[in-house]
Amino acid sequence: QVQLQQSGPGLVKPSQTLSLTCAISGDSVSSNSVAWNWIRQSPSRGLEWLGRTYYRSNWIYDYAVSVRSRITVNPDTSKNQFSLQLNSVTPDDTALYYCARGKSFAFDTWGQGTMVSVSS
Amino acid sequence: QSALTQPPSASGSPGQSVTISCTGASSDVGTYNYVSWYQQHPGKAPKLMIYEVTKRPSGVPDRFSGSKSGNTASLTVSGLQAEDEADYYCCSYAGNIYWVFGGGTKLTVL
Repeated sequence: QVQLQQSGPGLVKPSQTLSLTCAISGDSVSSNSVAWNWIRQSPSRGLEWLGRTYYRSNWIYDYAVSVRSRITVNPDTSKNQFSLQLNSVTPDDTALYYCARGKSFAFDTWGQGTMVSVSS
Repeated sequence: QSALTQPPSASGSPGQSVTISCTGASSDVGTYNYVSWYQQHPGKAPKLMIYEVTKRPSGVPDRFSGSKSGNTASLTVSGLQAEDEADYYCCSYAGNIYWVFGGGTKLTVL
């Protein structure tokens, strides 16, 4: 049974970097049949796919256009986890952030969610 | 890309069937058979209920079914039960490595 456990701060100051980690159990971040995604949810934006990474002989990174200039998703094979970094955050980035496993163009396993507020 | 359009609410009595629609565009729902549906209870993470328009993950009751016609996908919940009361979101692959979600439908079991 695959489980995703998120960690990271719930409060980030404007212009700083949001950093979250998603630890994987029951699967491997290096699996060649799934992808590892970040999705956020807010009242103003609803559910929004942000980006993903996956391994197919080499690491692939895909990002939503809306955040492409500010986002990095990185795998950590030594800890079997992956991370989200979102730079230059504003209050508009305040949201509930989820990590999720992607399979068959859907998201079949989700982390518990991390509420991140951007405020000074 | 624009979000997919769902009705804000739907309701039905226990035992009845209810269908939730999800309208997209020819560039997402109309082109790709990669529509998925998620159930979200208050304070919980979304749970995958349907993927690739009609497929159910292991463990999801067969009371849940999906379909698609043109640019509109639908989720039908048959034999409504109290525990089905939740928010439901549709999602479609939209090409160019991008997914778009619906705004959500609050399902109430009367």
